[in-house]
Amino acid sequence: EAQVTQNPRYLITVTGKKLTVTCSQNMNHEYMSWYRQDPGLGLRQIYYSMNVEVTDKGDVPEGYKVSRKEKRNFPLILESPSPNQTSLYFCASRLTRSTSGAQFFGPGTRLTVL
Amino acid sequence: KQEVTQIPAALSVPEGENLVLNCSFTDSAIYNLQWFRQDPGKGLTSLLLIQSSQREQTSGRLNASLDKSSGRSTLYIAASQPGDSATYLCAVCVYNDMRFGAGTRLTVKP
Repeated sequence: EAQVTQNPRYLITVTGKKLTVTCSQNMNHEYMSWYRQDPGLGLRQIYYSMNVEVTDKGDVPEGYKVSRKEKRNFPLILESPSPNQTSLYFCASRLTRSTSGAQFFGPGTRLTVL
Repeated sequence: KQEVTQIPAALSVPEGENLVLNCSFTDSAIYNLQWFRQDPGKGLTSLLLIQSSQREQTSGRLNASLDKSSGRSTLYIAASQPGDSATYLCAVCVYNDMRFGAGTRLTVKP
């Protein structure tokens, strides 16, 4: 089954404790991205990757890092989480950045930073 | 910069009614437009995808239209059911990103 998976689905952590949210897709997609969703603000792009070893900032990249060492994986790293990073996070992928195909979303990771 | 607006922000209707959700976007240079459904605290379920060259798409009781020149899309839901209660998100796919509207929260009352 074609899908985007994220882990963990739920995470409660404390300020400053480094964490990684994993994202994996099995569709051989080149383009992957991370979004955060906050009440009243909708979904906003954090980082995106056009292919292996190619990443770039989205609208709200501060406090986040990403890497794209393999085509299928695109982890989101919070080096020193803060309470304002409490949010619902979604990973997404599509074939290429210039495709007219659908974008697929993971199930979401609900992060709480105390 | 592409901006996506959805009206109304919330809508409450009795079961059985037909309804229309509206989406507008500021830049017509899009690859496609997708409508999603999101249940509270859950992920995004893709409902319909309209390519930039298409005018509409249908799936069951759902019909989505696209008028790229005027920057508008509508999602028509026929014979609404309580199970349709959710937030509906419109998103336009552009070169490096997908821009979302804030959503319409739909409640269908039995």
